[in-house]
Amino acid sequence: QAGLTQPPSVSKGLRQTATLTCTGNSNNVGNQGAVWLQQHQGHPPKLLSYRNNNRPSGISERLSASRSGNTASLTITGLQPEDEADYYCSAWDSSLSAWVFGGGTKLTVL
Amino acid sequence: QLQLQESGPGLVKPSETLSLTCTVSGGSISNSNYYWGWIRQPPGKGLEWIGRIYYSGSTYYNPSLKSRVTISVDTSNNQFSLKLSSVTAADTAVYYCARVGSGSYAFDIWGQGTMVTVSS
Repeated sequence: QAGLTQPPSVSKGLRQTATLTCTGNSNNVGNQGAVWLQQHQGHPPKLLSYRNNNRPSGISERLSASRSGNTASLTITGLQPEDEADYYCSAWDSSLSAWVFGGGTKLTVL
Repeated sequence: QLQLQESGPGLVKPSETLSLTCTVSGGSISNSNYYWGWIRQPPGKGLEWIGRIYYSGSTYYNPSLKSRVTISVDTSNNQFSLKLSSVTAADTAVYYCARVGSGSYAFDIWGQGTMVTVSS
């Protein structure tokens, strides 16, 4: 099953800005947009953003999502220690009739 | 507040069938705005979508698992279930159930997950 492509790791300093990317194709990210999830070690994933830049209530305004063509991005400004986590993107693939996930990006806040 | 809770055996023998149930509380599984899905995560690895079901019983499965997966729904008990047959060590993972918006396609509420180990 074809998945979405995410960089394995990103490292940024405290209070800096991190941009995480997620590349798919016209059947998934380019069509439906991406969903972003955050997962801390030992916990279930948590929804951060959907349909490119809709945030559930309670999600920090420091997070924003966007899409350009077949690539989705999640930008986190003013990095805090609690932002250190694994981040996954996901999208519905209309050709596979299946959800596909990225391999995840480990964000380290230095 | 809606909550999901997975339940089932934590140890399954190779070649047998893994069976898990997700109980939905604080809301109705028959809400037409949502699907109900299963996702798994092998130790130290990423997320893999297994399949999803609508309250009507319609299903979609991961093509790579389709021949071994069955997801069913029990609206009277507000539960949905996963069966994965002919398991091997590669099926060892934390299994999550989740709610998915039918318009947003977003996994917005997750269970805590249950670890299933395949071993003799």
